[in-house]
This record gives sequence, C-alpha cells and structure tokens, in this order.
Amino acid sequence: NAGVMQNPRHLVRRRGQEARLRCSPMKGHSHVYWYRQLPEEGLKFMVYLQKENIIDESGMPKERFSAEFPKEGPSILRIQQVVRGDSAAYFCASSLDRNSYEQYFGPGTRLTVT
Amino acid sequence: GNSVTQMEGPVTLSEEAFLTINCTYTATGYPSLFWYVQYPGEGLQLLLKATKADDKGSNKGFEATYRKETTSFHLEKGSVQVSDSAVYFCALVAQGGSEKLVFGKGMKLTVNP
Repeated sequence: NAGVMQNPRHLVRRRGQEARLRCSPMKGHSHVYWYRQLPEEGLKFMVYLQKENIIDESGMPKERFSAEFPKEGPSILRIQQVVRGDSAAYFCASSLDRNSYEQYFGPGTRLTVT
Repeated sequence: GNSVTQMEGPVTLSEEAFLTINCTYTATGYPSLFWYVQYPGEGLQLLLKATKADDKGSNKGFEATYRKETTSFHLEKGSVQVSDSAVYFCALVAQGGSEKLVFGKGMKLTVNP
C-alpha cells in the first residue's frame, strides 16, 4: 500500500505568487488533515476535510489560504499571494474514518518564499 | 484551550543510555494521547498511543503511560540506539471534538555511538 503522498516535496515561490500543495491520502482513506510546521515550532493544525466537505477549518488563516478535497483527485492546499511568513513545511495526514484516531502523515512540502 | 507541553531539547545521549522525554497536557475530559517520531527528511510516524487513563502504549522499546492524575504522558526507553535519533512529538486529540492533533513543539534527540 502506498502511503500518503505529497507533491511537490520542495516549492519555491516569489512573494505575491500562488502556491498549490497536493496531497493524495492512503488508499481507502477519506479524511485529510493539513498541518503547518514553522521553523523551530511544532505542527499546527490548519484544516480537516472529508471528500467534498470542509469539516474544521479553525486553524486556517482567514485570508489567502484555501483547501479542497474533491470527489476525485488529491486534496489541494492553496496559498494566494504568498509572503515570506508562509515559508514552512506543510504536512498532510489521512485517516480511515472519524474515530480511528490514527493519522498517517506524508513526507511534507517545504515551501520557501523568496 | 487544549495544549501540550514537552521537553524541547535538543538532547544528545550515548548509545544504550536511558531516555525520558517529559510531556504534560491541558485538555477537558479524556483526550487520546500520542507520541510521533520524525526522522530526518521524512514525515511523522505514529510511535505509540493511549486512549484512556492508565493505558500504556509501547512500540520499538519505547513506552508511555497515560497518567490522568498528573496529566502526563512521558516517553521512556531503557537503552537508546543511534537509529533512534529523530525529533519526537507528543500530541493529543481532544475528546468529543474534531479529530485534529494538538502537538507539542517537539524534541530533537541525537544518539552517538
């Protein structure tokens, strides 16, 4: 079984550009979580999605950030008009169902804004 | 709100030394507790978990016991190996809420031969 896949692994964007981060959950998993890891900090929850639904977006910045998990295809985390403070590692995790309490993480996308 | 506080390190040990990483939490009710490990350049892997008071999680020689009275979930290993070098994160999922993980800041462990 393939694990959680994220691409790209490394992404460099200039200030003002858009960043699109992709996450393919483990086979059979329909729950996706996005976390952000800023330098020297732990991971912070951003958003929790099921297929075609956002369940909890309490950790998402109010502006410039959006996420989706369509019926077909990967989950996308989109950051518009990136700023230097968006530079971080973004991790996606997936779980089988709501009550499994076991989240499987991808390798992360390291975003650098220049 | 819910939070996790853990030793931050970095910590350097010699091979076969005893390891303890302290973790305490703040949460209402009975959260589920986890230790995740992140090896260099990789994502996080679940190391062990406990879902109710007095449960002991164990894996790969690591152990942690869910202590409700002290709101703690300290990670221990009796004899570390060089391959245990990684960053260790304590985390919780709050009871009855969204299944989001709340993480501590992580502790980097280096084990020297």
